[in-house]
Amino acid sequence: GQQVMQIPQYQHVQEGEDFTTYCNSSTTLSNIQWYKQRPGGHPVFLIQLVKSGEVKKQKRLTFQFGEAKKNSSLHITATQTTDVGTYFCAGDGGSSNYKLTFGKGTLLTVNP
Amino acid sequence: NAGVMQNPRHLVRRRGQEARLRCSPMKGHSHVYWYRQLPEEGLKFMVYLQKENIIDESGMPKERFSAEFPKEGPSILRIQQVVRGDSAAYFCASSPEHNYGYTFGSGTRLTVV
Repeated sequence: GQQVMQIPQYQHVQEGEDFTTYCNSSTTLSNIQWYKQRPGGHPVFLIQLVKSGEVKKQKRLTFQFGEAKKNSSLHITATQTTDVGTYFCAGDGGSSNYKLTFGKGTLLTVNP
Repeated sequence: NAGVMQNPRHLVRRRGQEARLRCSPMKGHSHVYWYRQLPEEGLKFMVYLQKENIIDESGMPKERFSAEFPKEGPSILRIQQVVRGDSAAYFCASSPEHNYGYTFGSGTRLTVV
């Protein structure tokens, strides 16, 4: 079945440093989604990428979808303490595969 | 516009009891998904439902687990004869269409003692 891998599992940065998490799928995806979960909280939808090679920005966050639609990345510029949490990517395999498969996530901690 | 409502937030059950987890999707959302999360793990898909229909239950154990989304009322995830290994956070999510981003509820933390 479809597998979604994320690296790194953990990342600790000093406030102001950049952060990147990478996501790879074992199969081609129709779209990829990113979520953020604060400690003790629930996942919150950040963005969806659909097109091959797509790049989207949300303030300090940059999301990319690979040309082959099998990988994606999330880059945060100049991290802040409010960025703390676990970032999950989730792949949608398309109309014949209904479930959104989540990666294990990258836990980001930020030292002030 | 209330978000996805899950209750209870915390549920403690003794081994062998039944657990019922409820989820009311966002208004206008007809697609409901249940996920299970263990500490420091990702979200594991359990079941996908639309009103009165189970679309995909491939992630749900064949025994003891069942889910429904009736025409009226919330979606229910039911776990019979709970065991310690069922202890986890169970999240419900909803979306207006299948390929849209999900809105998650706050989850039900189930503890089996």
